[in-house]
Amino acid sequence: GENVEQHPSTLSVQEGDSAVIKCTYSDSASNYFPWYKQELGKGPQLIIDIRSNVGEKKDQRIAVTLNKTAKHFSLHITETQPEDSAVYFCAATTNDYKLSFGAGTTVTVRA
Amino acid sequence: GAVVSQHPSWVICKSGTSVKIECRSLDFQATTMFWYRQFPKQSLMLMATSNEGSKATYEQGVEKDKFLINHASLTLSTLTVTSAHPEDSSFYICSASGSRDEQFFGPGTRLTVL
Repeated sequence: GENVEQHPSTLSVQEGDSAVIKCTYSDSASNYFPWYKQELGKGPQLIIDIRSNVGEKKDQRIAVTLNKTAKHFSLHITETQPEDSAVYFCAATTNDYKLSFGAGTTVTVRA
Repeated sequence: GAVVSQHPSWVICKSGTSVKIECRSLDFQATTMFWYRQFPKQSLMLMATSNEGSKATYEQGVEKDKFLINHASLTLSTLTVTSAHPEDSSFYICSASGSRDEQFFGPGTRLTVL
């Protein structure tokens, strides 16, 4: 099955700086890569996703890049704000639509 | 759009009792719903996948007789934890998927078994 690795496990950044989270996947058949933000005691919220036919996608301060050859994808958050503090999960799925999640990254934005 | 609700948000029960958790897609029809459990400071673990009108598919190691899943309509799926024990205490989260592969998650249900 699919194995998704996520790094780093924790990330502390100064407000206004950028944050980058990286994930690798094992199954070359994976074709959909969502990113979720989870706040304490809440369910994950889809923040951005990318499909295998696209190399990069951006939505305001959030961007995701995908390198199919290397089987890795990354989340970039620019101009971080305190409300960006949360746990972020990457995931990957093939045509069976089952998501394989990374272990999560706890992001702390220091004011 | 793409709102998923769960009820209850938290529940405390005695060991040996059964607990039912509801998952609803409020503004779209969910052909597939997924149930996850999440332990503190850990990632989400898929328990089962359910399609409307058919039996759920359980992941390896998940007891189907303990975790009963019903997906009776395109907007409602239920998870019943039967004969709950303290080790079943966890955060249970559902997700719903419409016509494509995006999954939208509910707010989760915190189950505490005494």
